[in-house]
Amino acid sequence: QSVLTQPPSVSGAPGQRVTISCTGSSSNIGAGYDVHWYQQLPGTAPKLLIYGNSNRPSGVPDRFSGSKSGTSASLAITGLQAEDEADYYCQSYDSSLSGHWVFGGGTKLTVL
Amino acid sequence: QITLKESGPTLVKPTQTLTLTCTFSGFSLSTSGVGVGWIRQPPGKALEWLALIYWNDDKRYSPSLKSRLTITKDTSKNQVVLTMTNMDPVDTATYYCAHLVGGYDPFDYWGQGTLVTVSS
Repeated sequence: QSVLTQPPSVSGAPGQRVTISCTGSSSNIGAGYDVHWYQQLPGTAPKLLIYGNSNRPSGVPDRFSGSKSGTSASLAITGLQAEDEADYYCQSYDSSLSGHWVFGGGTKLTVL
Repeated sequence: QITLKESGPTLVKPTQTLTLTCTFSGFSLSTSGVGVGWIRQPPGKALEWLALIYWNDDKRYSPSLKSRLTITKDTSKNQVVLTMTNMDPVDTATYYCAHLVGGYDPFDYWGQGTLVTVSS
């Protein structure tokens, strides 16, 4: 059971927009800690996609965007492409139990 | 250019101790704020943070695994070592090490991961 809750799967047709939610609590996202998002293509290591809630590292297309409000965060992908089919994970920091890093359970994005 | 690479046994027996080494380049663990963490991923499952060590030797552990984990660094060798005691088949996973810029920043660079299978 992950501390951050994500939908197990989302899907969309090429060109469409999809969003992935990440729900936390008052000890992590709600406490003001930043949310980061990772993309994991099949058989590869996770890659940082969004950091600090809404910032894109160099090289990440602007089709990817992030937002945060209250105890939740969201990743939006516009203009879906076949290459976006991957697992997506949110991550934050949790101040409970002496503090620890936490990940969401991951969301499998299928491009129809 | 920052790179990290994990190394260690691919197969361990139940009850044994696992020792994994993360060898990195492109940064120094003596630079203020920098950290190296370990994250694992059982086959087909989610990422799970295990441990992290900061430049100043501050160490943090997953609350659920704290009693089994030890993280250390060798700054001169650019290495971070994770040991996990009393291995169990449920610990079968790909183990990643990753770079952290500082504080509660994201893990911005990851190693390729190493699959560890626990089986007798």
